[in-house]
Amino acid sequence: SQTIHQWPATLVQPVGSPLSLECTVEGTSNPNLYWYRQAAGRGLQLLFYSVGIGQISSEVPQNLSASRPQDRQFILSSKKLLLSDSGFYLCAWRDRGYNEQFFGPGTRLTVL
Amino acid sequence: KQEVTQIPAALSVPEGENLVLNCSFTDSAIYNLQWFRQDPGKGLTSLLLIQSSQREQTSGRLNASLDKSSGRSTLYIAASQPGDSATYLCAVRVADKLIFGTGTRLQVFP
Repeated sequence: SQTIHQWPATLVQPVGSPLSLECTVEGTSNPNLYWYRQAAGRGLQLLFYSVGIGQISSEVPQNLSASRPQDRQFILSSKKLLLSDSGFYLCAWRDRGYNEQFFGPGTRLTVL
Repeated sequence: KQEVTQIPAALSVPEGENLVLNCSFTDSAIYNLQWFRQDPGKGLTSLLLIQSSQREQTSGRLNASLDKSSGRSTLYIAASQPGDSATYLCAVRVADKLIFGTGTRLQVFP
């Protein structure tokens, strides 16, 4: 069966510090991968998605970037965090031939 | 631009009631519609997926319907329980992306 992992679960970082959040999927190959952010009191915002290694689509211009160095690994990064980057970050995956999308447990990021 | 709306935003009911949560979308050109549940501080759990060619899907006490032409979906929860308390999100798939509604926060009290 497929599983999706995200780490860390929680993170408190000062403004201006770098960020690296990691997501890995097991039990599938060549999935579509997604990064979402859920800010307090707001809906889910799609940040990036990837249909293959090295292929990244950005949905919202911002202080973040994403990379996919391996087939089942998706990384969200920032060189300098802003206060507005605080939120709940969710990774998700979907098989090409199957339509259901599945989410990871999320990372709670607080920027102080 | 596809927009997804969920009504009501919040709902509080006594245990045992049958519930209907509503989801509407502005563009009927969707691949499918997915309903999720989110518990506080947790990720999303997929509940039901309805393909664009389907009218409804059922899983246990949950039944989701889709009327693509009118841009509407409903999630019916039978005999609600306190464990059903969570935020329920609907999302429509457009190309490779899901477009989410803002959710309905459900509280079922004993």
